[in-house]
Amino acid sequence: DSGVTQTPKHLITATGQRVTLRCSPRSGDLSVYWYQQSLDQGLQFLIQYYNGEERAKGNILERFSAQQFPDLHSELNLSSLELGDSALYFCASSAEGGATNEKLFFGSGTQLSVL
Amino acid sequence: GDSVTQMEGPVTLSEEAFLTINCTYTATGYPSLFWYVQYPGEGLQLLLKATKADDKGSNKGFEATYRKETTSFHLEKGSVQVSDSAVYFCALTQRTGGFKTIFGAGTRLFVKA
Repeated sequence: DSGVTQTPKHLITATGQRVTLRCSPRSGDLSVYWYQQSLDQGLQFLIQYYNGEERAKGNILERFSAQQFPDLHSELNLSSLELGDSALYFCASSAEGGATNEKLFFGSGTQLSVL
Repeated sequence: GDSVTQMEGPVTLSEEAFLTINCTYTATGYPSLFWYVQYPGEGLQLLLKATKADDKGSNKGFEATYRKETTSFHLEKGSVQVSDSAVYFCALTQRTGGFKTIFGAGTRLFVKA
């Protein structure tokens, strides 16, 4: 058990809808990362938050947004969903997110299916 | 930009065979390099890491050496087991626009008994 909790584990929705994925980092970790894993794109970095502030941005679509709350949990909001958004979304956390040698702890992911 | 390229899978081996999964990277500066493993139905977990040139990371019989001259970080294991069947991801963390960790596409390993 990595200590990172993601909910829900599975989500099925329709095109055009909006969903929210939730992540609770490991106790004491200040940084949260979101990744999208799909068969054709592999594991893509979306965004990183550190102690409530956005720290790094990757290939995140404008239809997607995220935030980290004062209790350090994070939410990834996906709107105007398209079929191509179907993927496994991972959250990861690290202690600081400010050193290149830090390891990431991953949650089990949320499997999103857009029908 | 920074990137990681690893050999395409799947790789199928018999138990006790020697494993090599190739990984090369492109990055400015001095990234740290990692191998993560993903077992079915689970998130990724760190397997090993190396933070500077010529460092060797090792764990559970797996090894990888940070080769700056060839920009490589190949994963090796002398004798694989069925329980090693998983997807292996090579990754780097670079201090460019924030401490982003970039992953390779992953290599699926099947080990037959």
